[in-house]
Amino acid sequence: NAGVMQNPRHLVRRRGQEARLRCSPMKGHSHVYWYRQLPEEGLKFMVYLQKENIIDESGMPKERFSAEFPKEGPSILRIQQVVRGDSAAYFCASSPPVGSSYEQYFGPGTRLTVT
Amino acid sequence: AQKITQTQPGMFVQEKEAVTLDCTYDTSDPSYGLFWYKQPSSGEMIFLIYQGSYDQQNATEGRYSLNFQKARKSANLVISASQLGDSAMYFCAMREVGTSGTYKYIFGTGTRLKVLA
Repeated sequence: NAGVMQNPRHLVRRRGQEARLRCSPMKGHSHVYWYRQLPEEGLKFMVYLQKENIIDESGMPKERFSAEFPKEGPSILRIQQVVRGDSAAYFCASSPPVGSSYEQYFGPGTRLTVT
Repeated sequence: AQKITQTQPGMFVQEKEAVTLDCTYDTSDPSYGLFWYKQPSSGEMIFLIYQGSYDQQNATEGRYSLNFQKARKSANLVISASQLGDSAMYFCAMREVGTSGTYKYIFGTGTRLKVLA
């Protein structure tokens, strides 16, 4: 049973370009969370999605950031017109349906560098 | 206000000794969960241990145990018989019910542990 997969593992973008980060949850998991980790800091919640639904996006910046989790395929975190301050590690986590387990399973993260 | 507080930015421990990493939390939700994760230099997040707010006993997983003091709102991680491979960042996290009625996870700022040979 494959774990949570994220790609790419490393992404370099110039200022103004778009960054697309992908997350494939564990098999059977229907909940996906995205977190951002700035250097030497903890993880900050960004968004929580279920298939075709954004459940909680209270941690998402109001502009340039968007997330989706389509019926088929991975969850995508999209950052438009990246700026240097977007450089961070972005982690995806998945969990089973509420009530069946409590644990979040993390992917290896995508390290975004904006030059 | 900080929901999860880790007051030790860095800790040192001698190999084979025990070490306690502090974590205090703040919530008004009677049902919550507390987690500890390890993040080695390679960057991945590794789940270590979980404590539910209604659990009567402290959680243990191998060399890891969670010292849960509900009245004090603390959930300290104890690592016994430290090993060099325990050197990493350690994050305390809390799961509570968010505004959408679903789970929300909040992380502390972490403690960097260095095990000395």
